[in-house]
Amino acid sequence: DSGVTQTPKHLITATGQRVTLRCSPRSGDLSVYWYQQSLDQGLQFLIQYYNGEERAKGNILERFSAQQFPDLHSELNLSSLELGDSALYFCASSTSGGSTDTQYFGPGTRLTVL
Amino acid sequence: AQSVTQLGSHVSVSEGALVLLRCNYSSSVPPYLFWYVQYPNQGLQLLLKYTSAATLVKGINGFEAEFKKSETSFHLTKPSAHMSDAAEYFCAVSSRSNYQLIWGAGTKLIIKP
Repeated sequence: DSGVTQTPKHLITATGQRVTLRCSPRSGDLSVYWYQQSLDQGLQFLIQYYNGEERAKGNILERFSAQQFPDLHSELNLSSLELGDSALYFCASSTSGGSTDTQYFGPGTRLTVL
Repeated sequence: AQSVTQLGSHVSVSEGALVLLRCNYSSSVPPYLFWYVQYPNQGLQLLLKYTSAATLVKGINGFEAEFKKSETSFHLTKPSAHMSDAAEYFCAVSSRSNYQLIWGAGTKLIIKP
């Protein structure tokens, strides 16, 4: 158990819908990362937050947005969903968000778009 | 720009045999290198990391990796494979100027009884 929690574990929805994925980091970690993992694209970094501020952006679509709240939990919002958005979405956290930090991964949310 | 190449999307070894998973990186600045493991239906877990101290890095579960600057490599090894090592392994690179981990495509390790 990494100490990172993600809800829900599974999500099934339809094209065009909007969903919110939630992540609680390990106690004391200030930085949160979001990743998408799919069979065709592999592991893709989406976005990183540090203490409520966006720190780095990866291959995040404009239809996706995220935020980190004052209590340090984070939410990833996915809108206008397409079939291709079906994937595993991981949240990870680290102490300070630095280059040498160990990232601790949650168990993931499996999103299925029908 | 930084990049990571993992040679072989699948590697199959017999139980008890040497495990060698290859990772080559490209970086114009001194890199930090990581190996993570993903067991089926789980998130990723750090195996080991190189952050410019000793070039031979020991990790969990008997794995180790050696940073070789001249070969731009950070291959992962384990002397004797166990069935429980069956998983997907990811190599990643970052640097002092880049907080973001750049990930390899992953190598699935298959252990034959």
